Amino acid sequence: DTGVSQDPRHKITKRGQNVTFRCDPISEHNRLYWYRQTLGQGPEFLTYFQNEAQLEKSRLLSDRFSAERPKGSFSTLEIQRTEQGDSAMYLCASSIQGEGNIQYFGAGTRLSVL
Amino acid sequence: AQSVTQPDIHITVSEGASLELRCNYSYGATPYLFWYVQSPGQGLQLLLKYFSGDTLVQGIKGFEAEFKRSQSSFNLRKPSVHWSDAAEYFCAVGLYNQGGKLIFGQGTELSVKP
Repeated sequence: DTGVSQDPRHKITKRGQNVTFRCDPISEHNRLYWYRQTLGQGPEFLTYFQNEAQLEKSRLLSDRFSAERPKGSFSTLEIQRTEQGDSAMYLCASSIQGEGNIQYFGAGTRLSVL
Repeated sequence: AQSVTQPDIHITVSEGASLELRCNYSYGATPYLFWYVQSPGQGLQLLLKYFSGDTLVQGIKGFEAEFKRSQSSFNLRKPSVHWSDAAEYFCAVGLYNQGGKLIFGQGTELSVKP
């Protein structure tokens, strides 16, 4: 069990550029979640997948954001035309449906938009 | 709407002293409740969880929490704080009827004085 892995750990980009983050969940976990955390705040839910199906998206997830989990394993989160307000820590978590749905988090990707 | 409140943004305690971090939630049913800890620049580590049964739950690193339904609270306690406990602590509600997504409080930053 290698835990939840996120790549990259840090991303610096210029406003207007597109960025993509990757999350590799714990191998047997069928649920995968994305959260966003800004400075001094708790994480906020963005979206989640059960296997390859994206079952819920938060209103926080504007049209510029898209997430995929094509084979029910790893997931990507893409932000198009980044804005300074997108600067945050993006956290990925995975869980097994049932068993209390305990979520295990990765170390996160910190995005800075200049 | 579901919400989690952590009234204390920042707490400072002396090493060896006892600790209590407060958490209140708003949810229409008995929730799944969690405490996570986050060190600077890191992801979240699960300290403990409550699903049902005994309202006093034990976690890792000597932490415990007590669920009080009448007060909608789930306070975290530790009898003797160590310097390594300095971190950000988050209380969360798991919405089991909404894919298990977590609603977090804004966090309590713990500082430990020598």
